[in-house]
Amino acid sequence: EVQLVESGGGLVQPGGSLRLSCAASGFTVSSNYMTWVRQAPGKGLEWVSLIYSGGRTYYADSVKGRFTISRDISKNTLYLQMNSLRPEDTAVYFCARVDYSRTSGAFDVWGQGRMVTVSS
Amino acid sequence: EIAMTQSPATLSVSPGERATLSCRASQSVSSNLAWYQQKPGQAPRLLIYYASTRATGIPARFSGSGSGTEFTLTITSLQSEDFAVYYCQQYNYWPSFTFGPGTKVDIK
Repeated sequence: EVQLVESGGGLVQPGGSLRLSCAASGFTVSSNYMTWVRQAPGKGLEWVSLIYSGGRTYYADSVKGRFTISRDISKNTLYLQMNSLRPEDTAVYFCARVDYSRTSGAFDVWGQGRMVTVSS
Repeated sequence: EIAMTQSPATLSVSPGERATLSCRASQSVSSNLAWYQQKPGQAPRLLIYYASTRATGIPARFSGSGSGTEFTLTITSLQSEDFAVYYCQQYNYWPSFTFGPGTKVDIK
C-alpha cells in the first residue's frame, strides 16, 4: 500500500527548532518529487517546500532560510527541519508526493499531518 | 505570483442536489489545475487533476472543467460523505504551488 506516515512536531517556543519526519511505504521517496504543505488553524493550505528526485530544493518565501527539506534514502523518509520558529509557523504540516509523471504536478499521496505549535 | 480565488466561500446544498464550485487564477495556468477534498481532521484528498481528469477511485459524480483562468468543480447528486471543504490548486508555475482559499460545502 502506498502510504506516508508522519512523526514529530509538538510545542516549541519562539526561536526554537523542530524536525518533522515522513516515512514512505509502497514507493521510493528518492525517486519522486516530495513536498510539504501546511495549514494554520482554521485556515487554508499553504505550500512550504519541494525536493526534486535529483535533490534540488525549493522553499516558500515565508520559510526560506529557516526551513530545510531533506531525505534519507536508507530510511525512505522525508524530513523538514524547522529552525528559528515563529508563532505564525503554527500549523498542521502535511507531507505529500508530487505525481509528476501522471499528473504533471498534483499531490496524489498525503501524510496524516502533524501539529506544530509555536508559543511561549 | 499567481493568486487563486474560489467562490462561493460557503455553499449550502441539500443531499441529492448538485453543487457547482468555481476557481479562478490571476493568470493562465493552462490545464494544470487540481481539486482536493478535505474533511475535518483529515489530510486533503486528490479528486481531479489536469482540470478535468478524475483521480484513481474518485466517483463519477465529481467532474471538473475549464482551462486558462476559469475552472469549475461539479458534484452531482451530493452524498453525505461529500460535505467537506474543496480546494483548487495550480501547478503550472513550478516550484510555487498555489492553493485557493477553499469552498465549504455544507448541508442545507
